Amino acid sequence: SQTIHQWPATLVQPVGSPLSLECTVEGTSNPNLYWYRQAAGRGLQLLFYSVGIGQISSEVPQNLSASRPQDRQFILSSKKLLLSDSGFYLCAWIGAGKNIQYFGAGTRLSVL
Amino acid sequence: RKEVEQDPGPFNVPEGATVAFNCTYSNSASQSFFWYRQDCRKEPKLLMSVYSSGNEDGRFTAQLNRASQYISLLIRDSKLSDSATYLCAVNKDSGNTGKLIFGQGTTLQVKP
Repeated sequence: SQTIHQWPATLVQPVGSPLSLECTVEGTSNPNLYWYRQAAGRGLQLLFYSVGIGQISSEVPQNLSASRPQDRQFILSSKKLLLSDSGFYLCAWIGAGKNIQYFGAGTRLSVL
Repeated sequence: RKEVEQDPGPFNVPEGATVAFNCTYSNSASQSFFWYRQDCRKEPKLLMSVYSSGNEDGRFTAQLNRASQYISLLIRDSKLSDSATYLCAVNKDSGNTGKLIFGQGTTLQVKP
């Protein structure tokens, strides 16, 4: 069966520090992968999506970047965190030929 | 106008009540529609896909009204465990990206 892993579950980082969040999917190949951010009390904002290795599309201009070094690995990064980067970061995937997104458990990031 | 809009609520209902949520979308070309449930500080989980003919899963019924561009979710015989935030999602484009736009969610509180 397919599963999605995200880590860490929570993270507290100082302003100006770098960030790396990782997401991996098991049990499927060539998934579409997505990074979302959910600010407190707000909806899900799509940040990046990827339809294949090395293919990244950015949805909104921001302080973050994404990479997909392997088929089932999706990484969200920042060189210097801002206070406004705080939020709940969720990775999601869709299997090839499907249209339902499934989410990882998320990383709750607090930038102080 | 937001691409996907929901009444944030909260909807406070007694156990056993029937409650309905609507979600409007702006892109008339949208083809895929979903309801997700999100518990506090957790990831969204798929509740139902929404089909043109409407679909039912136990106490939950989803409907699509293309003419008025909205989807609805009906919950019958509400349980305490139904308390959560319900997010609607609509596909963003017709390609193979699988991108979804989420509403900000409707909060439901079922009271004893």
